[in-house]
Amino acid sequence: DTAVSQTPKYLVTQMGNDKSIKCEQNLGHDTMYWYKQDSKKFLKIMFSYNNKELIINETVPNRFSPKSPDKAHLNLHINSLELGDSAVYFCASSKGQGRVGKLFFGSGTQLSVL
Amino acid sequence: KNEVEQSPQNLTAQEGEFITINCSYSVGISALHWLQQHPGGGIVSLFMLSSGKKKHGRLIATINIQEKHSSLHITASHPRDSAVYICAVIGDSNYQLIWGAGTKLIIKP
Repeated sequence: DTAVSQTPKYLVTQMGNDKSIKCEQNLGHDTMYWYKQDSKKFLKIMFSYNNKELIINETVPNRFSPKSPDKAHLNLHINSLELGDSAVYFCASSKGQGRVGKLFFGSGTQLSVL
Repeated sequence: KNEVEQSPQNLTAQEGEFITINCSYSVGISALHWLQQHPGGGIVSLFMLSSGKKKHGRLIATINIQEKHSSLHITASHPRDSAVYICAVIGDSNYQLIWGAGTKLIIKP
């Protein structure tokens, strides 16, 4: 069974649209993350939720809104998509917070905004 | 110069060989991860280290904080070990994850 699954794997859409990326983990972890991979291959933290509560909210446009219906799910909703939003987005989870727990990643969602 | 450097970039070996992948970093870190990425994109965290050495099956990871260097070793390598191995560090001032470029490992039967 896939530990951290995110869907869709590929997402191609037009500027201005609203889209969501879903993430689910079946590891029983308390903390989930969204990372954006930039052109230099860095993974920049966007959001982190611990037991459904937002604990990290880095400087990202407020067009990005995370939603955690329960601690096994952390979805990313993006409004009014822009060209610069094109990137690979990775979901991850850990037991406890990232500094002390191994990170388990989803396989990534490649978002292309046309 | 990248903040996380891995070597070698590509490595092809015969089944059974002892494999070493190296990682050097230039920033202060709170932890270092070794990750494995198989074709198809799935990423698995193999180890998280902040000091010393960890072993899991045929995999061994070490880190030297003073020298800012880590190594991943695979003993008795097997074709199913073929994957991209990535060293990634978490900065000590934030949660940003900085990845190395990865090492593509191919183990031939």
